[in-house]
Amino acid sequence: SQQGEEDPQALSIQEGENATMNCSYKTSINNLQWYRQNSGRGLVHLILIRSNEREKHSGRLRVTLDTSKKSSSLLITASRAADTASYFCATDRTGNQFYFGTGTSLTVIP
Amino acid sequence: KAGVTQTPRYLIKTRGQQVTLSCSPISGHRSVSWYQQTPGQGLQFLFEYFSETQRNKGNFPGRFSGRQFSNSRSEMNVSTLELGDSALYLCASSLVWDSYNEQFFGPGTRLTVL
Repeated sequence: SQQGEEDPQALSIQEGENATMNCSYKTSINNLQWYRQNSGRGLVHLILIRSNEREKHSGRLRVTLDTSKKSSSLLITASRAADTASYFCATDRTGNQFYFGTGTSLTVIP
Repeated sequence: KAGVTQTPRYLIKTRGQQVTLSCSPISGHRSVSWYQQTPGQGLQFLFEYFSETQRNKGNFPGRFSGRQFSNSRSEMNVSTLELGDSALYLCASSLVWDSYNEQFFGPGTRLTVL
């Protein structure tokens, strides 16, 4: 079974607005990563947050991790049309493989 | 540096046939992982190879197999294809398999089984 579940499944916002998507997982993890996928193509790594970190920033991206709630959030600020994509969280539970969530489909309307 | 390449990009097969997909990792990367992506099941881990050895395998039937060559290139094979095998197959490479290392994904092979 999948480790992560993203919420919401789909999100539609106007360009310039912020987009927030959440990821929940079931077991303890070593780290959590966020990836972006453009329409049926390969995934692109966005950011990694370790289990002992609570928040991390990278450009317009802000990721938080709450290990007590087993959840993470990805915030994209000042969204652009080019941010339209699906976003996945991936967790490493055993150190041997990644478990990907179901993804959030983000549409940014110009 | 060239990215991860996968061939072919698109493939159409019929039930019962077998298929071989290829993945060339980024130069210097020794770990290659394979994933199956479907609308219903999302992204699911198939297996991971490092230095020609399969180190981990996901929960897939034995019809799914793979191998890695000495130059780190990897192939996956699916025998006796079923309709449910229609999916986007993604491979990812990293320097070594370590969950703190970024995985670099290829564009995928879109397999359609008729």
